[in-house]
Amino acid sequence: GNSVTQMEGPVTLSEEAFLTINCTYTATGYPSLFWYVQYPGEGLQLLLKATKADDKGSNKGFEATYRKETTSFHLEKGSVQVSDSAVYFCALSEGSGAQKLVFGQGTRLTINP
Amino acid sequence: GAGVSQSPSNKVTEKGKDVELRCDPISGHTALYWYRQSLGQGLEFLIYFQGNSAPDKSGLPSDRFSAERTGGSVSTLTIQRTQQEDSAVYLCASRPAGAGGSYEQYFGPGTRLTVT
Repeated sequence: GNSVTQMEGPVTLSEEAFLTINCTYTATGYPSLFWYVQYPGEGLQLLLKATKADDKGSNKGFEATYRKETTSFHLEKGSVQVSDSAVYFCALSEGSGAQKLVFGQGTRLTINP
Repeated sequence: GAGVSQSPSNKVTEKGKDVELRCDPISGHTALYWYRQSLGQGLEFLIYFQGNSAPDKSGLPSDRFSAERTGGSVSTLTIQRTQQEDSAVYLCASRPAGAGGSYEQYFGPGTRLTVT
């Protein structure tokens, strides 16, 4: 079945550091890929998405590129801020049918000033 | 506009009791999902409703779990004879109709269930 593997956490960085959170997937067909974020005390919200190979999703300075050849969707940000502290989830959904999301385990990110 | 709402926000129940969790999706969203977020299992899909079609129940962990969606809007997730391993945050999400995975699922704040 479909699955998502993401970098184990927790990750602690200093403000303005470069961030990479790795995500790889296993899927049949052509899934869409997502990064969701859960800020402290808040619900899950979509950070960015990509629906086909080589697409780049971007939002709030975060980027991720859909790499079919390496089945990856790594999340990057050039300069993190304290406000980026949250739990990040990589997810995929199939392009048809229920489109239910399959999530990675989540990576807790803490940014220190 | 209003987002997905869930009630109650917190529920503490004794082992063996039944519980009902409610979800109000975004108006006009035809697709509705239930997920569970627990320490041991992460975020996992439970059940999916789309319009008047038969629900996809493939993620329900046991026959103690059931869900219904009345009038294509509000959904209720019922857990019978709760067990301690049912303790988790139960998340509801809704999505507009349409093919393709590009339609975002909008999540509610969740119901934190604690079984003592």
